[in-house]
Amino acid sequence: AQTVTQSQPEMSVQEAETVTLSCTYDTSESDYYLFWYKQPPSRQMILVIRQEAYKQQNATENRFSVNFQKAAKSFSLKISDSQLGDAAMYFCACSDNTDKLIFGTGTRLQVFP
Amino acid sequence: ETGVTQTPRHLVMGMTNKKSLKCEQHLGHNAMYWYKQSAKKPLELMFVYSLEERVENNSVPSRFSPECPNSSHLFLHLHTLQPEDSALYLCASSQGPGLMNTEAFFGQGTRLTVV
Repeated sequence: AQTVTQSQPEMSVQEAETVTLSCTYDTSESDYYLFWYKQPPSRQMILVIRQEAYKQQNATENRFSVNFQKAAKSFSLKISDSQLGDAAMYFCACSDNTDKLIFGTGTRLQVFP
Repeated sequence: ETGVTQTPRHLVMGMTNKKSLKCEQHLGHNAMYWYKQSAKKPLELMFVYSLEERVENNSVPSRFSPECPNSSHLFLHLHTLQPEDSALYLCASSQGPGLMNTEAFFGQGTRLTVV
């Protein structure tokens, strides 16, 4: 069974600064994908970034990048040049070939002007 | 707007009531999901439907009964719920089946309160 752990219930960052959200996971599968989702106050979950486990290169999407450490089963999200609109809950998730997408408990990110 | 619509947005029901949550997607996806989101807990995967067949039921109590009449619609029928069932219920869809790299699209959820 897959598990996803987010050890930071809350994080805060100043506007324009950089913040890193942590995530560790466990899976018995050799082939899997990792995701970061954002849930703003509107409650609608939105995909931020995804990483294929067999790719060593870290994924990047504009100001969002990941630090994928496969041996350590770690998948952190770095947000650069933070903006007020980045304030939200961030969920790390893992999926394998069984159509199951398993989430962590989330990290609430606050952005201060 | 993600293409996944959930109704109602809010629901208050008594423990003896019967109600249903509805989810609809117009994305041509083949997999649909129900998740339960409670405070300070991971999103709990409740049910997975792939090509209209249930492929996963994570030991969910029988007071929750899913129905997938076609690939675009997913229901969650509720009866004799408990106060601890109060949560945000999220529906999602993805291209599926077995396409683990595809993005899941979520609805805005139904905030359920059991009194």
